[in-house]
Amino acid sequence: GAVVSQHPSWVICKSGTSVKIECRSLDFQATTMFWYRQFPKQSLMLMATSNEGSKATYEQGVEKDKFLINHASLTLSTLTVTSAHPEDSSFYICSARPRGTYNEQFFGPGTRLTVL
Amino acid sequence: SQQGEEDPQALSIQEGENATMNCSYKTSINNLQWYRQNSGRGLVHLILIRSNEREKHSGRLRVTLDTSKKSSSLLITASRAADTASYFCATDKAAGNKLTFGGGTRVLVKP
Repeated sequence: GAVVSQHPSWVICKSGTSVKIECRSLDFQATTMFWYRQFPKQSLMLMATSNEGSKATYEQGVEKDKFLINHASLTLSTLTVTSAHPEDSSFYICSARPRGTYNEQFFGPGTRLTVL
Repeated sequence: SQQGEEDPQALSIQEGENATMNCSYKTSINNLQWYRQNSGRGLVHLILIRSNEREKHSGRLRVTLDTSKKSSSLLITASRAADTASYFCATDKAAGNKLTFGGGTRVLVKP
């Protein structure tokens, strides 16, 4: 149980295009989902917290107009990187917190984005 | 900014040896968690220790927490090649809050 999937697992796109990444909780409902970015050999940096049915809360320094987050249901959150540039190339990881819990987060396998 | 700093950044040991890594943090916490990440993969939760706990065990893992020093350690005993991964600590300042990750320790276990 407590499986989180991400799609796609990797994507290559041209500079200036937009890319959507999906994060799904497969066997539980998640009121809160988190989006992280991880550069090679570095730690995870929280980008935003996504609550179902409300606007995402972005961390300082993260452009909300560039990284659009939608959490339309209790099992799906999406991250759209708009007008992607090579510096957006990174590993994007989501996590989901099951409804009714406070300390648990289950992580997705990550999405490798390469912007040419 | 990152809450935690991990030490060492990298560790290379022989199979069967113990691996110890440390995590320091700056503010008060509700709990501290340790995660493992295999190269290019997502994170796997290893263990959670609450602020009122001092030590916790799970299989070959032993975690300690010293809130007076704002530090934690993760010990992997009798390491195996499959333990090769990056290990991250993450702090949760309040129940239901967001996690802040440390810089990670890259562990290489040589067979």
